Amino acid sequence: QVQLKESGPGLVKPSETLSLTCTVSGFSLTSYHVSWVRQPPGKGLEWMGVLWGSGSTAYNSALKSRLSISRDTSKSQVFLKMSSLKTEDTATYYCATVYTTDYFDYWGQGVMVTVSS
Amino acid sequence: DIQMTQSPASLSASLGETVTIECLASEDIYDILAWYQQKPGKSPQLLIYDASSLHTGVPSRFSGSGSGTQYSLKINSLQPEDFGSYYCQNDLSAPYTFGAGTKLELK
Repeated sequence: QVQLKESGPGLVKPSETLSLTCTVSGFSLTSYHVSWVRQPPGKGLEWMGVLWGSGSTAYNSALKSRLSISRDTSKSQVFLKMSSLKTEDTATYYCATVYTTDYFDYWGQGVMVTVSS
Repeated sequence: DIQMTQSPASLSASLGETVTIECLASEDIYDILAWYQQKPGKSPQLLIYDASSLHTGVPSRFSGSGSGTQYSLKINSLQPEDFGSYYCQNDLSAPYTFGAGTKLELK
């Protein structure tokens, strides 16, 4: 059974670094890729980046200078780190994978992150 | 980067009505497009992939069509559970951009 679950701090200060974890089950990170998607309150979805099964990454160009995605395959975890946080980074952060289709057919429940001093 | 322009931004409709949501890509995406539904406080759910293929478990009143740069999502005979937000997404190449979304509300 494919599952993804995000975890991380609910509150982060401006200029600090956000660290989130996506813990997956039911599939191997070396066979399926995982993306991060975020959604500011009341707004739309923004694709942030992807960690391919091969271990390579691709990022949204608007976030590339601040964003890093990595993994620990032994723990079935994918990590997101984003530096120099701003208040506009306040959002619900989701991880998602493509499994039965080539599209995001499994999503985590999301984790709300507030950037505030 | 491929831009996805979705319209309308909001839509008010009654139960039993048929509605259509449009998505325009900035370049040909060769039908590599998905539609998602999102309810308040919930994660997005895949409805349609490859522009017109219905994902497992999605009711047949949902349909997708289009080609090249123009795509649409049609919902026939609106049911209470269909109200929420809808997003198109380019899946051809990274960045996998989403449309800005359409909020479907009950009239």
